[in-house]
Amino acid sequence: GIQVEQSPPDLILQEGANSTLRCNFSDSVNNLQWFHQNPWGQLINLFYIPSGTKQNGRLSATTVATERYSLLYISSSQTTDSGVYFCAAQGRGAQKLVFGQGTRLTINP
Amino acid sequence: SAVISQKPSRDICQRGTSLTIQCQVDSQVTMMFWYRQQPGQSLTLIATANQGSEATYESGFVIDKFPISRPNLTFSTLTVSNMSPEDSSIYLCSVWTDTEKLFFGSGTQLSVL
Repeated sequence: GIQVEQSPPDLILQEGANSTLRCNFSDSVNNLQWFHQNPWGQLINLFYIPSGTKQNGRLSATTVATERYSLLYISSSQTTDSGVYFCAAQGRGAQKLVFGQGTRLTINP
Repeated sequence: SAVISQKPSRDICQRGTSLTIQCQVDSQVTMMFWYRQQPGQSLTLIATANQGSEATYESGFVIDKFPISRPNLTFSTLTVSNMSPEDSSIYLCSVWTDTEKLFFGSGTQLSVL
């Protein structure tokens, strides 16, 4: 099945900084999504982005399907952005999303 | 989007007992999934809950340990049977909507003593 790798595993930044999180996947995808798990454990769907670029406020994401990677950009980080960011991909012919190991983001005031 | 109610939110159980987790969705959905998140780890799919038929289990998960029911298109249960401390995890119900997005319930934090 598809393999999903995220980098970096950990990222510590000051409030106001920008960050880029990367997700590499091993095969063509039908579906790719980004999630944020807040410190209380709730998983929030950020983007459905199998290809192209999307923006939602300070967050944006780009998937280059031909090169098998996706990037999540966070601008002007706030402490509430802290948590774990997961990328999940569905390979062609599969009926499930496979999650990467996540990037733990800590934003210090 | 979908609103997913999952309960209990947390429980502490004794070794050898069973716990049933309930998941209620505010709309009819075809695809419902159960995930496990072990401490400090990513999410691992346990099974796909199929309405009106047996669940489809992933490698490493079996029906005797994790029986699943899906009586209709808005409700599912996951039972963790004959628990051991290794079953201590967060268990998450999720649904795949017709917008192709996956949404999660708030999870059940299970501790087994």
